[in-house]
Amino acid sequence: NAGVTQTPKFQVLKTGQSMTLQCAQDMNHEYMSWYRQDPGMGLRLIHYSVGAGITDQGEVPNGYNVSRSTTEDFPLRLLSAAPSQTSVYFCASSYAGTSAQETQYFGPGTRLLVL
Amino acid sequence: DQQVKQNSPSLSVQEGRISILNCDYTNSMFDYFLWYKKYPAEGPTFLISISSIKDKNEDGRFTVFLNKSAKHLSLHIVPSQPGDSAVYFCAATFQGAQKLVFGQGTRLTINP
Repeated sequence: NAGVTQTPKFQVLKTGQSMTLQCAQDMNHEYMSWYRQDPGMGLRLIHYSVGAGITDQGEVPNGYNVSRSTTEDFPLRLLSAAPSQTSVYFCASSYAGTSAQETQYFGPGTRLLVL
Repeated sequence: DQQVKQNSPSLSVQEGRISILNCDYTNSMFDYFLWYKKYPAEGPTFLISISSIKDKNEDGRFTVFLNKSAKHLSLHIVPSQPGDSAVYFCAATFQGAQKLVFGQGTRLTINP
């Protein structure tokens, strides 16, 4: 099992550019989520999905889009990057989509710099 | 509004001594709490959790204590080891919720 994988590991964007952060898991987990980690702010939930075809907003969804067409993949799209989106992004997955009490497994992160 | 707060950004402890990391929450609906540990350039990993029906949960060197009346939980690590040096995040949720709320994290450094 590869667990949760994220690509790319590091990306530099110019303001206004778009990009997609990839996330995949091979554990057949129903629940997947995206967080961003910023100094002094901890981990903040951007979007989450409780199963294929179902997504919902987290705490800081503005500027990001997601879709969940398969169980395995949960890409995060930045439509028009802004310097405020400079952060480290983590994807996570867990077995059950019905409760956040299930242990979440995190990917290694994508470090994004927006100039 | 920060519903889960870790007021100590950093903590330094001597190897072999006890490390105590603290976490406070404001939402009375939270009834399940978790601690995650994060090494540099890696994703967080689950460490230990506690339900609100308990006031203590142990797993080896790690013990989490929950004080519901004070809306406070703490993670005790005894004895502390150099490999425990990491950032520790407290997180909270409630029954039926599909979201975790994380604190800001505390960077623990264990000195030899």
